Amino acid sequence: DIQMTQSPSSLPASLGDRVTITCRASQDIGNYLRWFQQKPGKSPRLMIYGATNLAAGVPSRFSGSRSGSDYSLTISSLESEDMADYYCLQSKESPYTFGAGTKLELK
Amino acid sequence: EVKLVESGGGLVLPGASLKLSCIVSGFTFSDYWMRWVRQAPGKGLEFIGEIKPDGSKTNYAPSMKGRFTISRDNAKNTLYLQMSSVRSEDTATYYCAKEWAYWGQGTLVTVSS
Repeated sequence: DIQMTQSPSSLPASLGDRVTITCRASQDIGNYLRWFQQKPGKSPRLMIYGATNLAAGVPSRFSGSRSGSDYSLTISSLESEDMADYYCLQSKESPYTFGAGTKLELK
Repeated sequence: EVKLVESGGGLVLPGASLKLSCIVSGFTFSDYWMRWVRQAPGKGLEFIGEIKPDGSKTNYAPSMKGRFTISRDNAKNTLYLQMSSVRSEDTATYYCAKEWAYWGQGTLVTVSS
């Protein structure tokens, strides 16, 4: 199975900061990488698909990138509504696997 | 509007069986692979399995094989997750999802004596 190693597990940041979360795939997954945001008590929300494509309705301060087997989610200028948990998902092949998650919190 | 609504969760005894449902609307259910994902309290997301549009094929995470069975009734626009021999570790919120972009609100399963 493909393993997704996500870091950091916790990310304290200030409003206006530029933040980056990273996932590394244990095998080639091409661009089959998605990012989700999840707020307490809510269902996951798709933010990025195809490693770099913004999902519908997602603010442009979010972006996704890829460098080899490393995938990143970047928020260019953190806003209070961005405080949440974030997960990556490889959707290249079943069983699909999520990263362990990153808790983005106010410093 | 795409909607997915899970139901069937609750408090169950260890060793029991439980069947979750996910009723969908707003799209042609029979055209899409459907997935189940769970999340234990305070933990991350975990893929359970998926089912082909016509129900002829399923894929499961290795840890879910054998105790969990996914099925669907395209005439009723409903996806199912049959859980058997449940354990405390199965305590989680269970979500159904379409194409990873649409998720239900989840149904909580608590396994406890």
